[in-house]
Amino acid sequence: TQLLEQSPQFLSIQEGENLTVYCNSSSVFSSLQWYRQEPGEGPVLLVTVVTGGEVKKLKRLTFQFGDARKDSSLHITAAQPGDTGLYLCAGGLYYGNNRLAFGKGNQVVVIP
Amino acid sequence: NAGVTQTPKFQVLKTGQSMTLQCAQDMNHEYMSWYRQDPGMGLRLIHYSVGAGITDQGEVPNGYNVSRSTTEDFPLRLLSAAPSQTSVYFCASSYSGGQGSTNEKLFFGSGTQLSVL
Repeated sequence: TQLLEQSPQFLSIQEGENLTVYCNSSSVFSSLQWYRQEPGEGPVLLVTVVTGGEVKKLKRLTFQFGDARKDSSLHITAAQPGDTGLYLCAGGLYYGNNRLAFGKGNQVVVIP
Repeated sequence: NAGVTQTPKFQVLKTGQSMTLQCAQDMNHEYMSWYRQDPGMGLRLIHYSVGAGITDQGEVPNGYNVSRSTTEDFPLRLLSAAPSQTSVYFCASSYSGGQGSTNEKLFFGSGTQLSVL
């Protein structure tokens, strides 16, 4: 059972367009992290949000943690080809021996 | 600034062979872990360690062994490789080994692509 569902699984857009991807769950998380992974490389952390309703901005990327701490969104403004990659969300767990639950990812392709 | 180093980058094994995937970090991190990444499955935790001499099972531990004799190294052993272990393997580390550190940044290696024939 996947704790975190990411949608859409695949998104292709033109350079300059805006996009939003989502990370949803029925579980409550202590934190929510977003990573970006490029082909042949490991994921790299973009941001961590820890407070319900929190919004963080990283240049053209805006991350929001849901009020109930069950979901998150990533919005990219004026997408660039360098934004192409697999975006993974990871929720911090309160219990068990797994520290983070990862979603399957949002594959984003920005066409020049 | 090496970070997390994984070797080898690519490996092909025959069913039944054994091998060790190496992982080393130079950041003095207490927490180290191994994930596998499969298409349509996302990242799944295999084993993890909160410090030297301490290891524990993750979500998918069967067929894999680990040990942590030093802070820097966390090798993953496949005792008898099976085709189901074909995957991309990532080692990751973070500063703290405490259970309250779920919001800490994970540093990932660049992965090992393993094929078992």
